Amino acid sequence: EAQVTQNPRYLITVTGKKLTVTCSQNMNHEYMSWYRQDPGLGLRQIYYSMNVEVTDKGDVPEGYKVSRKEKRNFPLILESPSPNQTSLYFCASSLYNSPLNTEAFFGQGTRLTVV
Amino acid sequence: SQQGEEDPQALSIQEGENATMNCSYKTSINNLQWYRQNSGRGLVHLILIRSNEREKHSGRLRVTLDTSKKSSSLLITASRAADTASYFCATDESSYSGAGSYQLTFGKGTKLSVIP
Repeated sequence: EAQVTQNPRYLITVTGKKLTVTCSQNMNHEYMSWYRQDPGLGLRQIYYSMNVEVTDKGDVPEGYKVSRKEKRNFPLILESPSPNQTSLYFCASSLYNSPLNTEAFFGQGTRLTVV
Repeated sequence: SQQGEEDPQALSIQEGENATMNCSYKTSINNLQWYRQNSGRGLVHLILIRSNEREKHSGRLRVTLDTSKKSSSLLITASRAADTASYFCATDESSYSGAGSYQLTFGKGTKLSVIP
């Protein structure tokens, strides 16, 4: 089954404790991205990756890091989480072989609480 | 930057009625997409309309695109309680600019409630 898998689904952590949210897709997609969703603000892109070893900042990259060492994986790293990073996070992937083929597949989300 | 902006923010209708949601954007695009999100879950792709298309259908969904007005609408006909969800439009402004990068930018969504 084609899917994007995020882990964990729920996470409560303390301020300053480094954490990683994993994302993996099994569709051989070139394009992967991370979004956060907050009430009243919709989805905002954090980072995206056009292909292996190619990453770029989205609209709200501060406080986050990513890496793309393999095509299928795109982990999101919070080196020193703060309470304002409490949010619902989504990973997505697309078969970006043309600007016209950009349907995004989303993971089920990771609800992060930083206390 | 927020590209697509949906209107209204919330919509409540009776089962069987039609629901119309609108999306406006600011710059040129290659395509515009609509997604659905059930409460707290991942987004699910509904339909993609290309910039050279004016209307597209998929089941009970009808999407229109007016590039001169930089707007799109999503019509759900004969709504059902199961259509209760948030609906988002998304656009790809950066790829059109030829900047060599690509971003799919979402609006804030319309929350649709269909009352049985």
